[in-house]
Amino acid sequence: DAGVTQSPTHLIKTRGQHVTLRCSPISGHKSVSWYQQVLGQGPQFIFQYYEKEERGRGNFPDRFSARQFPNYSSELNVNALLLGDSALYLCASSGPNTGQGRNSPLHFGNGTRLTVT
Amino acid sequence: GNSVTQMEGPVTLSEEAFLTINCTYTATGYPSLFWYVQYPGEGLQLLLKATKADDKGSNKGFEATYRKETTSFHLEKGSVQVSDSAVYFCALSEGTGNQFYFGTGTSLTVIP
Repeated sequence: DAGVTQSPTHLIKTRGQHVTLRCSPISGHKSVSWYQQVLGQGPQFIFQYYEKEERGRGNFPDRFSARQFPNYSSELNVNALLLGDSALYLCASSGPNTGQGRNSPLHFGNGTRLTVT
Repeated sequence: GNSVTQMEGPVTLSEEAFLTINCTYTATGYPSLFWYVQYPGEGLQLLLKATKADDKGSNKGFEATYRKETTSFHLEKGSVQVSDSAVYFCALSEGTGNQFYFGTGTSLTVIP
């Protein structure tokens, strides 16, 4: 089975622009989470979605938004980009196939490297 | 609140040396604990986990024991290989959702 897939792998944007990042979870996983990893730091939680509903939100401004689709794939949107938004954005899915997957391991994609100039 | 503190790096070891990477945590409840590994240019991969006190997680020669009394989850390996060179992250998950809290990562380089 395919792992978590993210697109694009790299992206360069200008300050003030908008960006959309995409993620497809492991087949059968209904929970998708987004993390921001700044160089030299650990991943920071942005959002969790389960069954198309937001189940958690980290300490990020309203410029960050996300959604989950009926096929459980997800998009992360960031508006009015700032230089400080430059980071690796990681998507992770988790199981088990039923329930919210509490404390289930996260399975990460390889990330989207966003550079804001 | 929830947080993870792990040993500062970078760590450089010779092949076959013993590895310890320290990790301590703060949690409001009863967390599950994890070690993830990140190879250059890749996402994080689960290395091992432990879900309750005194559990020992193990994988690929790595081990870590969930110590509630010292709120620790130190990663160990008896004999490291060059292929173990990577960044290692300690993490916890606690609560009704599945939000993870990660440490800042420890970079390991193993030299032949």
